[in-house]
Amino acid sequence: EAQVTQNPRYLITVTGKKLTVTCSQNMNHEYMSWYRQDPGLGLRQIYYSMNVEVTDKGDVPEGYKVSRKEKRNFPLILESPSPNQTSLYFCASSFRGGQGKAEQFFGPGTRLTVL
Amino acid sequence: GDSVTQMEGPVTLSEEAFLTINCTYTATGYPSLFWYVQYPGEGLQLLLKATKADDKGSNKGFEATYRKETTSFHLEKGSVQVSDSAVYFCALIPAYTDKLIFGTGTRLQVFP
Repeated sequence: EAQVTQNPRYLITVTGKKLTVTCSQNMNHEYMSWYRQDPGLGLRQIYYSMNVEVTDKGDVPEGYKVSRKEKRNFPLILESPSPNQTSLYFCASSFRGGQGKAEQFFGPGTRLTVL
Repeated sequence: GDSVTQMEGPVTLSEEAFLTINCTYTATGYPSLFWYVQYPGEGLQLLLKATKADDKGSNKGFEATYRKETTSFHLEKGSVQVSDSAVYFCALIPAYTDKLIFGTGTRLQVFP
């Protein structure tokens, strides 16, 4: 089954304790992206990757890191989490666009609480 | 910069009522336009899309037409069901990038 998986689905942690949220896709997509969803703000892009070893900042990258060592995986790293990073996080992937942009497929989400 | 504006929610309707959720956009060139739906506790799913002016996207009884002249992509359904209760996001991808830009979402609640 074609899908984007994320782990963990739920996480409660404390300020300053490094954590990683994993994201994996099995559709051979070049493009992968991380978003955070906050009430009243919709989804905002954190980081994206056009292909292996190519990553770039989105709209809200502060406090986050990513890596893209393999095509299928795109982990999100919070080196020193803070309470303002409490949010719902989504990973997404797609083929690269062109005429008629490709659909982005979303993972189920990771609800993170930083105390 | 490029952006999407959609109507505030929640939208509350009775079953079988007509639905419209307004969406307008600002973008250079010809973006691709999307509606995504998020059911409670789930991720986002593509509902429909349109990639050029006057295209109509449709799926599951929902429709939206890409109107370049009014920069709009309003979502409509003739007869909503309780199972349509969800959050609906209008989004665009500009012509020059793969970045998906979202509106703030509109919660739809349908009562029997």
